[in-house]
Amino acid sequence: EDQVTQSPEALRLQEGESSSLNCSYTVSGLRGLFWYRQDPGKGPEFLFTLYSAGEEKEKERLKATLTKKESFLHITAPKPEDSATYLCAVQARGSQGNLIFGKGTKLSVKP
Amino acid sequence: ETGVTQTPRHLVMGMTNKKSLKCEQHLGHNAMYWYKQSAKKPLELMFVYNFKEQTENNSVPSRFSPECPNSSHLFLHLHTLQPEDSALYLCASSQDHGQGSEQYFGPGTRLTVT
Repeated sequence: EDQVTQSPEALRLQEGESSSLNCSYTVSGLRGLFWYRQDPGKGPEFLFTLYSAGEEKEKERLKATLTKKESFLHITAPKPEDSATYLCAVQARGSQGNLIFGKGTKLSVKP
Repeated sequence: ETGVTQTPRHLVMGMTNKKSLKCEQHLGHNAMYWYKQSAKKPLELMFVYNFKEQTENNSVPSRFSPECPNSSHLFLHLHTLQPEDSALYLCASSQDHGQGSEQYFGPGTRLTVT
């Protein structure tokens, strides 16, 4: 069964304290892995798509990486405005193409 | 308007009411989706429409009825809901379905069933 597990569930950082969020997945062939950011009471905001192991993408203080079993979202020198819930989703090959989401990691960055 | 819009943003309804949620995408996409988001649970896919044709009904109770009149508009008709249906309902769209293209989400409708 296709599955996505995100860890930790919650992460508290001080401003400037770099860290990483993990997304472990089990799928029968990966078509794509997606990272989203969600602020309270709002819809998820698309961040990155990764398609193959070894691929990396960056946007401001965020960097996403991908291996055959997991993806990391690295946050460098975070600021309070980076506080949000970060969602990971995968799309498997040969399936109907639906996204399978993890439960998310709630990130809090304190000044 | 840009992106994906949803109305209303908040809805309180009784168990015997009938209401509808509306979604519109301004991205020229061909696929649209309804998701349910409850606390402590992953996003749950409810319905998928690809080129106006429903391709997925993820075992959703019949009290939820989708409608897709064209590739830019999507509705979710609600009737005789239960309190456990209270959640954030999200609409999304993508260029196509199942080909690795990212989905873009609207702001959601916060539904409370009393």
